[in-house]
Amino acid sequence: DGGITQSPKYLFRKEGQNVTLSCEQNLNHDAMYWYRQDPGQGLRLIYYSQIVNDFQKGDIAEGYSVSREKKESFPLTVTSAQKNPTAFYLCASSRQARNTEAFFGQGTRLTVV
Amino acid sequence: DQQVKQNSPSLSVQEGRISILNCDYTNSMFDYFLWYKKYPAEGPTFLISISSIKDKNEDGRFTVFLNKSAKHLSLHIVPSQPGDSAVYFCAASDTGNTPLVFGKGTRLSVIA
Repeated sequence: DGGITQSPKYLFRKEGQNVTLSCEQNLNHDAMYWYRQDPGQGLRLIYYSQIVNDFQKGDIAEGYSVSREKKESFPLTVTSAQKNPTAFYLCASSRQARNTEAFFGQGTRLTVV
Repeated sequence: DQQVKQNSPSLSVQEGRISILNCDYTNSMFDYFLWYKKYPAEGPTFLISISSIKDKNEDGRFTVFLNKSAKHLSLHIVPSQPGDSAVYFCAASDTGNTPLVFGKGTRLSVIA
């Protein structure tokens, strides 16, 4: 079955540690995205990539880093520079075309302890 | 500045009645609009979309209306069912290949 897989579903991190969230898709989509959801804030864009080896900052990129070495994979690293990392993180992908919907993974809940 | 606004954080509707969720946008370059449904601790799932060349799109119990002059769209669910209880996000994209911009969501509760 085609889809987007995020792992792990729950992640705990100590303050000061970097942590990497995994996102893999087998939909053959060119574009991939990372969003963050906080209560009452909706979905805010962290980073996106429209093609392998290229990515752009979204609205809240500070404290995060990404890589796009393969079409299928778009991992997100939450660094110690991120002031408030506890949130629900969502990865999505879409065809590289206008007027198409994005498909989302099941999300990763990151908690800093 | 928010480009996509969902001004009602929550909405309660009785089962069998119509649910109307509203969304306003400010960017006149937006030409494609989508609604997503989200359950707690899950990713959003695509519900229905509409292109700016249309003013209505229907899919079963779900209809989206677009009023370009007012920069307003709405999602109608009729009849509402308890399983429709979720957070609904409005999203928009512009004429380029840019990521979707989301509203803050409206939590719909359908009461049996």
